[in-house]
Amino acid sequence: AQTVTQSQPEMSVQEAETVTLSCTYDTSESDYYLFWYKQPPSRQMILVIRQEAYKQQNATENRFSVNFQKAAKSFSLKISDSQLGDAAMYFCAYRSASSRDYKLSFGAGTTVTVRA
Amino acid sequence: GAGVSQSPSNKVTEKGKDVELRCDPISGHTALYWYRQSLGQGLEFLIYFQGNSAPDKSGLPSDRFSAERTGGSVSTLTIQRTQQEDSAVYLCASSPGLVTDTQYFGPGTRLTVL
Repeated sequence: AQTVTQSQPEMSVQEAETVTLSCTYDTSESDYYLFWYKQPPSRQMILVIRQEAYKQQNATENRFSVNFQKAAKSFSLKISDSQLGDAAMYFCAYRSASSRDYKLSFGAGTTVTVRA
Repeated sequence: GAGVSQSPSNKVTEKGKDVELRCDPISGHTALYWYRQSLGQGLEFLIYFQGNSAPDKSGLPSDRFSAERTGGSVSTLTIQRTQQEDSAVYLCASSPGLVTDTQYFGPGTRLTVL
């Protein structure tokens, strides 16, 4: 089974500043997908960004970007120009590209607070 | 278009009662997933459907849990003889297909077993 580790239970960032959330994972597979989801107090999990393991280029979505280090099995999320609306719990998730395993394996989450 | 919807939003029940949780996936999505989010266990996979069939039931925690999907659309997760440890948020997600597709989540049902 794949293990996803988020070592930072909480992170705090000043509005307009940058924060980086760490995620590491353990897998023996070569092809897989990685995701960052955001969960605000409303509970709805919202996709922030997705990365395919076979792509060397790091994914970006507006103010959100990742640093994908396949050899190190590391997948960090950088939030630039932080906004109050970015305050939420962020989950890193892994999904195999195997045709037999479609479930997401999640880390424990990192709570991000944004200071005005 | 409309996202994944779940009902009820909150459910309080007494220990030993049966509960049904409903999930309406995004229209046209063939794959549907159930997850459970609890303080002690984090987010854990329960079951997924491709169409109306559930090839992988490995995540269901006990035989008190069952799920079905009809018409390739709505899914119901049933918990029989609820226990206090079943208290959690139950999240449903759907995706257009299985292999490469991103899962989109609903707002969840918070279940409290007294």
